[in-house]
Parts: sequence; C-alpha cells; structure tokens
Amino acid sequence: GIQVEQSPPDLILQEGANSTLRCNFSDSVNNLQWFHQNPWGQLINLFYIPSGTKQNGRLSATTVATERYSLLYISSSQTTDSGVYFCAASGAAGNKLTFGGGTRVLVKP
Amino acid sequence: GAGVSQSPRYKVAKRGQDVALRCDPISGHVSLFWYQQALGQGPEFLTYFQNEAQLDKSGLPSDRFFAERPEGSVSTLKIQRTQQEDSAVYLCASNTLGESTDTQYFGPGTRLTVL
Repeated sequence: GIQVEQSPPDLILQEGANSTLRCNFSDSVNNLQWFHQNPWGQLINLFYIPSGTKQNGRLSATTVATERYSLLYISSSQTTDSGVYFCAASGAAGNKLTFGGGTRVLVKP
Repeated sequence: GAGVSQSPRYKVAKRGQDVALRCDPISGHVSLFWYQQALGQGPEFLTYFQNEAQLDKSGLPSDRFFAERPEGSVSTLKIQRTQQEDSAVYLCASNTLGESTDTQYFGPGTRLTVL
C-alpha cells in the first residue's frame, strides 16, 4: 500500500514565525488531506488537496502530484496553531486513508 | 450541520471485558471508516463500510474486533475479550460519495483504556 512520510517530526516556533511542513507519498493519490489534531484529539480538516494549491487564511497547501509531495505552510503562527499536523493519502486502489507520523508543532508566545 | 459523533468519549475496561463503541456519521454520508490511533502515532485504518456493506476489514487486528452497520447509518465497533494492547483512541470518519476522491470527516474519537 501507499506509504506516507512527514517531516520534520517536531517543530518549535516563536509566535509570528512562518513554517513549512512536508509530506512525501510513495504512489499516485486520489485523496490527500491535511489535518490538525488539537489537544483534545479532534482531527480538524484543513485541506483536501490531491493536487494544486489552496489557501485558507494563514494556512496554505500545495501538492505536486507528479513529484509525490505536499507542503503545508503556516504563516504568522499563533499559539492556537500548536498541535499535531497529519497528512493522509489514499491511492487508486481504495478509499482508506494512510496517515503519516505527524509533525508536532509548538508555538511559543 | 452536525458532524460525526461518537460515544462514549471515554471508556475504561478491565482486561477480558467486551466493549462496544458507537459512531453516528454525518447524515446522508454513504461511507464510514474506523481507525485506531495509538498514543503518539498517526491513525491506522481498521475497516470500511459503504452503506451497510463492509467492503474492507483488512485493518482489523484480530478476530476479537468486529464492526457492523446494519442499516447503513450508525455503526458499532465491538471488541471482545479486551487486552491491554487494545488501549487506543478509536476514530470514526464518514464521507459523502463513497469514493476515494472525497473528503473524510472525523469524529472526536473514543479513548479506550484497558486495565
């Protein structure tokens, strides 16, 4: 099945800083989603982005499907951005999402 | 509208007990997924329903795990004779079209602790 790897595993930011999170996947994807898991464990949808670029406020994401990677950009980070960011993908073979190991982000005031 | 809901939010079981975890998907969503998330890890797929049909149960870790969705709406994940290694957060997700090219929406999860 598809493999998903995220980097870096941990990220410490000062409030106001910008950052880039990376997701590499091993095969063609039909679905790629970015999630933010808050301290209470809820997985919050950020982007559905199997290809192209999307922006939502201070967050944006780009997926280059031909090169099998996706990037999540956080600009002007805030303490509420802290948590774990997951990338998840499903390939042509089925619907189930395969998650990466996550990037744990801590934004310090 | 209402999102995916799960109950109970927390469950403590003694080793050997049976547990049942419930998922209410978003109304009208065709597909329903169960995932297991161990501490410090990403979620891992357990099983998938399209309406009432269980189309993929390749992720269920043992025959102690059983899932059903008899009327194509609410789903129950049952774990028999719980073991300590079953301790995890169990997440349910649903999507509209039953296709891979569709956003999955997740519930808040049930945190299971087996003592």
